[in-house]
Amino acid sequence: DIQMTQSPSSLSASVGDRVTITCRASQSISSYLNWYQQKPGKAPKLLIYAASSLQSGVPSRFSGSGSGTDFTLTISSLQPEDFATYYCQQSYSTPPDPFGPGTKVDIK
Amino acid sequence: QVQLVQSGAEVKKPGASVKVSCKASGYTFTGYYMHWVRQAPGQGLEWMGRINPNSGGTNYAQKFQGRVTMTRDTSISTAYMELSRLRSDDTAVYYCAREFIAAAGPSYWYFDLWGRGTLVTVSS
Repeated sequence: DIQMTQSPSSLSASVGDRVTITCRASQSISSYLNWYQQKPGKAPKLLIYAASSLQSGVPSRFSGSGSGTDFTLTISSLQPEDFATYYCQQSYSTPPDPFGPGTKVDIK
Repeated sequence: QVQLVQSGAEVKKPGASVKVSCKASGYTFTGYYMHWVRQAPGQGLEWMGRINPNSGGTNYAQKFQGRVTMTRDTSISTAYMELSRLRSDDTAVYYCAREFIAAAGPSYWYFDLWGRGTLVTVSS
């Protein structure tokens, strides 16, 4: 099975900061990597699919990059509404066991 | 309106079973796989399995094999997840999520639509 890891597990940042979250797969998954944002008490929300494609309606300050085993989610200028937990998810293998452990972004 | 509406919160005793429903509306129910994902309090997302609403075919995470059953009723566009032999560590919010396949290029898929979640509490 493909294992997903994320780093860091948590980070503290200020409004306006550039934030980078890393996701790593235990084997190559090409570009089959999605990113979700989850706020407390809410369902996850898709941000990025296929490693770098921005989901419709998602602000352009979110971007994704990478292929193979190493991927990055970048928030170019952190906004107050971006404080949340972020999960990567691989869609390469089925059944997927897909999610990374999450990265919590909170206020410094 | 495209949405997934889940059943309400449940409280169960250890050893019991729970069946959570997920009613789809606003799209062709049989056209998209439905997945179930759970989240224990303060924990991450855990994939449980998926069902093909068209055929009824299922894939389950190994961890839940033998305890989980996913079914559907196409006449009412509803998917179900039943978990048996409940334990206290099954206390979690259970989500249904639709699998969407991107239109162009390779078969990239992702969860584009989620239910609001159903809290299942297992306690004696």
